[in-house]
Amino acid sequence: QVHLVQSGAEVKKPGASVKVSCKASGYTFSTYAISWVRQAPGQGLEWMGWISAYNGNTNYAQKFQGRVTMTADTSTSTAYMELRSLRSDDTAVYYCARFSAAAGPSYYYMDVWGKGTTVTVSS
Amino acid sequence: EIVLTQSPGTLSLSPGERATLSCRASQSFSSNYLAWYQQKPGQAPRLLIYGASSRATGIPDRFSGSGSGTDFTLTISRLEPEDFAVFYCQQYGSSPWTFGQGTKVEIK
Repeated sequence: QVHLVQSGAEVKKPGASVKVSCKASGYTFSTYAISWVRQAPGQGLEWMGWISAYNGNTNYAQKFQGRVTMTADTSTSTAYMELRSLRSDDTAVYYCARFSAAAGPSYYYMDVWGKGTTVTVSS
Repeated sequence: EIVLTQSPGTLSLSPGERATLSCRASQSFSSNYLAWYQQKPGQAPRLLIYGASSRATGIPDRFSGSGSGTDFTLTISRLEPEDFAVFYCQQYGSSPWTFGQGTKVEIK
């Protein structure tokens, strides 16, 4: 059974950083990529970027460039998303989701999702 | 950036009825790289359709996707009680990947 297990909820002050983890199981971690998507309260889904666990390549949405870092540790099958200089409008549920990056863009659909990590930014 | 516009915003239907959801893109993108997701309250999204028309593993055949170019449709042939949720389209053919704003299918 394929699972993505995310770290627990976080409460941060404005200006701080948060690092969310996403531990994969049930498949060969290095043959897939991990995408990060967030959802503000009552809002829709927003794509943040992705990291290939195969070669470490990243692709960040321009909105988050310079403020986000995505990493992948193949030894523990865990992906991480760090977001810095947090603001109140970063309050959201952050999801990780896997997609197959090895066989080209026709496989870039997100077929398995984590349950989400709630990040609250408040003074 | 490709903007996806979903319509209607809310669809009020009864179980057993047919649901037709629309997703229109601001420009064409590569090879129908469009997916549909279902999201229920408090849950993560679930992949329903990829490549505009291919059902994901385990998805019932009452869900079908169609379309190409800039116009895509998700059809639920006969609504079951568990189908009421919010549905999102998403394109992965052009970076940045983008989602539609969602269509809520509610019980009439």
